[in-house]
Amino acid sequence: GAGVSQSPRYKVTKRGQDVALRCDPISGHVSLYWYRQALGQGPEFLTYFNYEAQQDKSGLPNDRFSAERPEGSISTLTIQRTEQRDSAMYRCASSVSSGGAGTGELFFGEGSRLTVL
Amino acid sequence: QQQVKQSPQSLIVQKGGISIINCAYENTAFDYFPWYQQFPGKGPALLIAIRPDVSEKKEGRFTISFNKSAKQFSLHIMDSQPGDSATYFCASGSEKLVFGKGTKLTVNP
Repeated sequence: GAGVSQSPRYKVTKRGQDVALRCDPISGHVSLYWYRQALGQGPEFLTYFNYEAQQDKSGLPNDRFSAERPEGSISTLTIQRTEQRDSAMYRCASSVSSGGAGTGELFFGEGSRLTVL
Repeated sequence: QQQVKQSPQSLIVQKGGISIINCAYENTAFDYFPWYQQFPGKGPALLIAIRPDVSEKKEGRFTISFNKSAKQFSLHIMDSQPGDSATYFCASGSEKLVFGKGTKLTVNP
């Protein structure tokens, strides 16, 4: 498909387990962003990459959260030792621009809904 | 994160009416102000955006009005249609975007 692809679409896990969420951006898009969206709220910035370089990780809530984009394309957001408060929709977005979100349109995926029991 | 305050939380208008959603931002360094539209089960999609060097931008039935001194901007939807029923998010930023909490718009036929 031509859009941003995220997997899994739904993930239910038990507290304390690790989860990995995958994002496949639009081909050729330089920037990749991770956002978290709670029900009834707007997207909350987590981190972003230009190519394979992580430019800003100031939105990651704590050191249980990490992200990588080793080859400048697919990205993985990993949450270790999940807690119930981690339950949310995790959205990935990509952009053709490398100048940050203010220089180009963000194309969002349909998200991965994480539920931690 | 810097706040972006959006109002109202929900809005109901009749078909053909005008929908107005407001946003206020804090950081004067922000230089990009988009509005995103989100339908249930979908990701947000860019609707229209403005930069602070202009006070208004119009695209079809959608207009952004921007007031730099007040640090406010608004979305106007003219001739609102039932198909416009969605959640609208304002955002502001430069390198990264800070989103408002959203406005659920319902347009009744």
